[in-house]
Parts: sequence; structure tokens; C-alpha cells
Amino acid sequence: KNEVEQSPQNLTAQEGEFITINCSYSVGISALHWLQQHPGGGIVSLFMLSSGKKKHGRLIATINIQEKHSSLHITASHPRDSAVYICAVYGGGADGLTFGKGTHLIIQP
Amino acid sequence: NAGVMQNPRHLVRRRGQEARLRCSPMKGHSHVYWYRQLPEEGLKFMVYLQKENIIDESGMPKERFSAEFPKEGPSILRIQQVVRGDSAAYFCASSRGQGGMNTEAFFGQGTRLTVV
Repeated sequence: KNEVEQSPQNLTAQEGEFITINCSYSVGISALHWLQQHPGGGIVSLFMLSSGKKKHGRLIATINIQEKHSSLHITASHPRDSAVYICAVYGGGADGLTFGKGTHLIIQP
Repeated sequence: NAGVMQNPRHLVRRRGQEARLRCSPMKGHSHVYWYRQLPEEGLKFMVYLQKENIIDESGMPKERFSAEFPKEGPSILRIQQVVRGDSAAYFCASSRGQGGMNTEAFFGQGTRLTVV
């Protein structure tokens, strides 16, 4: 069973700051997902990674398969980035994703 | 192209009643996953279905919970004789298939079930 750990649990930063959220997992995977959840809202898929790095706008996601670690970066953070960011891993079987507990991010103006 | 549609968004049931949660996957997607998010806890896998087949239900409670994905119509998560501990947000995700979650997962807005 994969254990997914995210850090930090909570993060408050000022608008414009560079944000990094980390995710580590215990067992090899075939894919890793970064998700965003707003309070009372649905879940939006940000990235799906199996290797290397992906960029979308101000968001960058990286994964190191050997070290079983991924990072999500937000450049030039904005209050609308305030949300819970969830890391989820997929082992290749039939049992769907295993999730981290999420990182609560607040960006203050 | 509509995304994953879940309804209702909010559902209130009294203890002992039945709850039916619906999920229509994205067009062209034949694989559906249900996840549950309990208050103050992370998301947990419940069940993985393809059309007319349950592929993995290892995350489903053994009693009172069932799921189906018929040939026509949405996937249904059914909870019989609900109890207060069933209060949670239930999310559905769909994928194109074959790659399972090796492809991008598209999530619905969730159904927030409250048992009173």
C-alpha cells in the first residue's frame, strides 16, 4: 500500500511569492497527479506526470521517479491560487488513486 | 464537451433512508471511479467500474454500499440505510480507459451527502 506524504500541510504566503509544495510516496508508481480543490468546490486536475517536468501557465510540476518525490511550484502567486493542493499516485492496478492529505494554501494580497 | 457531471450537488437524508448519487462521465470515457472524502480526511478510493462491470470494489464498505455503471445512463453509487458516518463528499472521476489513471483524470463537482 502506497503512503503519500505532502508538505507543508498549511502554507500562507504573500501575493507574488514563489510557492513550492512537496509530495513523497513509498512505493513505485506509474503516474502521479496534482489536483486542486477550492472550498466547497470540485476537484480540478492540474497535471498528470510519469516522468520529468510539466508547465502550465504559472504552474510547474516535477517528478523524480528514483527518489519517489514530486514538487508543485507556483510562480508569481495570486490570491486566486488559494486552495487545497492534493498529490495523488497511481500504481498501475485497478484500485484508482491514493491521495495525500493535501496542502492548504492561502495567498494574501 | 461537458465535463464529468454529478448530481445532486447536495443531498440530505435522514438516518435509515437510501441515497443515490449519479455520475455521468465525460463523453467518450468508459471508465468511472468513485472516491469519498470524509470531513477533515483525505480522499479515498471506493470503486472502479467500466460499462456493465465492476473492476475493483476493494474500497467499498462491505455492507449497504453498491455501485453500478449500466450500458445506458449514468453510474450510480447507492447507499442503503444511511448512517451519520456516511456524511461526506463523494467524487466521481472518469478516464478514457485502457491506461486507467495513467491518463488525465477528470473529476466531477462532487455530491455532498449530509445524514441527519
